[in-house]
Amino acid sequence: DGGITQSPKYLFRKEGQNVTLSCEQNLNHDAMYWYRQDPGQGLRLIYYSQIVNDFQKGDIAEGYSVSREKKESFPLTVTSAQKNPTAFYLCASRSASWQWTEAFFGQGTRLTVV
Amino acid sequence: KQEVTQIPAALSVPEGENLVLNCSFTDSAIYNLQWFRQDPGKGLTSLLLIQSSQREQTSGRLNASLDKSSGRSTLYIAASQPGDSATYLCAVKGSYIPTFGRGTSLIVHP
Repeated sequence: DGGITQSPKYLFRKEGQNVTLSCEQNLNHDAMYWYRQDPGQGLRLIYYSQIVNDFQKGDIAEGYSVSREKKESFPLTVTSAQKNPTAFYLCASRSASWQWTEAFFGQGTRLTVV
Repeated sequence: KQEVTQIPAALSVPEGENLVLNCSFTDSAIYNLQWFRQDPGKGLTSLLLIQSSQREQTSGRLNASLDKSSGRSTLYIAASQPGDSATYLCAVKGSYIPTFGRGTSLIVHP
C-alpha cells in the first residue's frame, strides 16, 4: 500500500539525549514536511524539503535538524537544544512543491521527555 | 503572514444534525484549501481539496465551499453521526507551505 510511515509511534527521551524520528513515504513525492502539534496550538512547521539534498527551516526549527539524502526518507532529529520537546510530531508529503497538489500525513510520533 | 482561524473551536451536537464548520484566512492569494480530519492520537486524514479556481467540492455527506475573495471556507456535514466525532482542520496553501488552523473539535452524541 502507498503511504507515509512514521516510526516509532511512541518515543521517550531522557534529558540531554538526541532522538531521531523516522518518516518514510513510497508515494514518490518530492516535498516532505515536519510539523509539531501541541494542544490548543494547531500545527507548526519545523522543517520542509522540496527536493533531495535540500531543506528549509520552518517557523520553529531551533533545536531540530533534518536530512534528505533519499527521496523517500526525511528523518527528524530532536536535539538536546530543544528545551520543550514533548509533543506530537507529524510528517507530511505532497507530489511536488507545486501549488495545487494534495498533502498526505503519517500517523504521527508522540515524543515524551522523561 | 497568512493566518487561519477556525470557528467554533468546539462543537457538541446530537446525532442527525446538519453542521457547518468555518475556516477563514487573511491572505486571499491562495492556491488551494484542504480539509482534514484528525482522530485522537492519530495523523491527519484528507477529506476534501478545493483548488482556488473552484467554488466547492463534495464527498458523500461532506461539502466544502470556498470564497477566496472573502477569505472563507465552510465544511458542511449532513446528517451527522457519532463516527464523525473528531477534530477538523483546514489548511490553506499560498506559497510552498500550507498554513493550518487550530481545528474544530466535534462531538456527535447518540
